[in-house]
Amino acid sequence: QVQLVESGGGLVKPGGSLRLSCAASGFSFSDSYMSWIRQAPGKGLEWISYISSRNGYTHYADSVKGRFTISRDDAKSSLYLQMTGLRVEDTAVYYCARDQNVYGIDNWGQGTLVAVS
Amino acid sequence: DIQMTQSPSSVSASVGDRVTITCRASQTIGTWLAWYQQKPGKAPKLLISAASTLQGGVPSRFSGSGSGTDFTLTISSLQPEDFATYYCQQAHSLPFTFGPGTKVDIK
Repeated sequence: QVQLVESGGGLVKPGGSLRLSCAASGFSFSDSYMSWIRQAPGKGLEWISYISSRNGYTHYADSVKGRFTISRDDAKSSLYLQMTGLRVEDTAVYYCARDQNVYGIDNWGQGTLVAVS
Repeated sequence: DIQMTQSPSSVSASVGDRVTITCRASQTIGTWLAWYQQKPGKAPKLLISAASTLQGGVPSRFSGSGSGTDFTLTISSLQPEDFATYYCQQAHSLPFTFGPGTKVDIK
């Protein structure tokens, strides 16, 4: 079955950096679009980044553009989110997800907590 | 960017009630809308895609409708396991923005 397992979260000071990883299994990762979505404590879902399959087209929410970088390693079936210039307002649970584009996000990881303080 | 709104922000209901949640997009998105259910401490779960297509394993008491800018999620007879927060998301154009959520709790 589809599994997405995030890692790399933790406590970091404002201005610091962190790299999140997501290990995927149970599906053809190289053929899949992937996204990162976050959820601040007690708040709603915020879509933050997307990477296509094949050509690796990327897109970012304005709130993270220029600070976060999404990437993928198809050989390792892994998705990454490099976060720099972290702010207190970036504190959230970060979810890795398989994005079916117009058909929604059909698989989510369990999430990893990033705390900026 | 396309902005999504939902109403109500919360609803109190009893088991067996019919519950309807509305989602509105700031511009037309065809039928490219998804609905998710999220329970506390858990990842969201995709319920409906393309406005009205029920995902496998999702009970038939859930249904979705709408097109253009106005959409609804209906739970025909609320069950104890349906108490959760529901989010809509437009899948028409990047960024794939979410609505603010509707919390369904016990009356």
